[in-house]
Amino acid sequence: LAKTTQPISMDSYEGQEVNITCSHNNIATNDYITWYQQFPSQGPRFIIQGYKTKVTNEVASLFIPADRKSSTLSLPRVSLSDTAVYYCLVGDRAGGYNKLIFGAGTRLAVHP
Amino acid sequence: GAVVSQHPSWVICKSGTSVKIECRSLDFQATTMFWYRQFPKQSLMLMATSNEGSKATYEQGVEKDKFLINHASLTLSTLTVTSAHPEDSSFYICSARQGSTLDTQYFGPGTRLTVL
Repeated sequence: LAKTTQPISMDSYEGQEVNITCSHNNIATNDYITWYQQFPSQGPRFIIQGYKTKVTNEVASLFIPADRKSSTLSLPRVSLSDTAVYYCLVGDRAGGYNKLIFGAGTRLAVHP
Repeated sequence: GAVVSQHPSWVICKSGTSVKIECRSLDFQATTMFWYRQFPKQSLMLMATSNEGSKATYEQGVEKDKFLINHASLTLSTLTVTSAHPEDSSFYICSARQGSTLDTQYFGPGTRLTVL
């Protein structure tokens, strides 16, 4: 059973705002929600992390509703360099270890 | 801050040989390190979790005798692919976590292994 569900792919244009929503219906009380970005042949890069409500940093915002069963990553004014795969993750404590299990991610393509 | 390095960035080896990949946390002490592998156009697959000073915990289906993991210090973990075969060719990525309460992991740049 997948921990998170995201759209497989999205398309956008330069300068637009992109919102990627992730479902995590079985999120545990202690789980944080973390988003990563990955370019081809590179390791994932941490974007943002949150527990509830809204978190904002210099690159993105993360919106989390009160029930925490979903979250939305918002990328303001995307550029071509934002073309990448975006992963939404929550913790997995099976076996006593807190680990991150990657889902399929969302492949974002930004067009000129 | 929170930089993780891997060495080498790529390696080509002959079938049957062993290859060691190093993962280092450069500016923080990593209580836990993780090893992933990624095939082209696929997501990352967790292979094992290692805590400093203890044996690694392997995910189901990952052969512990083939993928040897050593986490000798709080800044270094190594993955050794023993008797490598062409099907072991993949992109290997490590990550490190500073503490145990937050889920934030910082990833290395990855190592491309090609077995001929």
